[in-house]
Amino acid sequence: EAGVAQSPRYKIIEKRQSVAFWCNPISGHATLYWYQQILGQGPKLLIQFQNNGVVDDSQLPKDRFSAERLKGVDSTLKIQPAKLEDSAVYLCASSPLAGGHREQFFGPGTRLTVL
Amino acid sequence: DAKTTQPPSMDCAEGRAANLPCNHSTISGNEYVYWYRQIHSQGPQYIIHGLKNNETNEMASLIITEDRKSSTLILPHATLRDTAVYYCIVRVGVNDMRFGAGTRLTVKP
Repeated sequence: EAGVAQSPRYKIIEKRQSVAFWCNPISGHATLYWYQQILGQGPKLLIQFQNNGVVDDSQLPKDRFSAERLKGVDSTLKIQPAKLEDSAVYLCASSPLAGGHREQFFGPGTRLTVL
Repeated sequence: DAKTTQPPSMDCAEGRAANLPCNHSTISGNEYVYWYRQIHSQGPQYIIHGLKNNETNEMASLIITEDRKSSTLILPHATLRDTAVYYCIVRVGVNDMRFGAGTRLTVKP
């Protein structure tokens, strides 16, 4: 079974530039998550989708971050404009269903460096 | 805020059992204990979860105290590939995943 795919793996930009990350979840997984992981910390949930609807985006900085999940499959996370403090690894995860005790499967992440 | 407390780091000799503790003194009756680990440059990986009974799978064992205020993840025969950050999480369902800083386990030859 193919895992969660993310691209790019690495991205370096200057502050105030824009950047987008792409995630392809495991086939058939209804729920998709984006996490931000700052160096030395655990992952922090940014947004959760159930199919193509947003379930939880309470921790997403909506003034600069946006995310969408077209057709309930792939997802993109965008930052516009980027700040220095956005330097982090952005992890995408998916699970078969929302609710219940289904494990989340994580992708390898995209490491963003903002200069 | 994370609802768990873990030591920041631990060492273990290769081939020995690694016992990783976690305190979750404010856990409520419907919250499960989950363990994930994150190997360097990879995303977190699910290990095991439990409610109140001890659990075992092919990766590890989970021992939960009777009052459910603490638990221990046991890797019975640690290998160098078990070197990772281990996260203990309490949650109701697949939502509400709140990671703390975890325990950095180093397995030494």
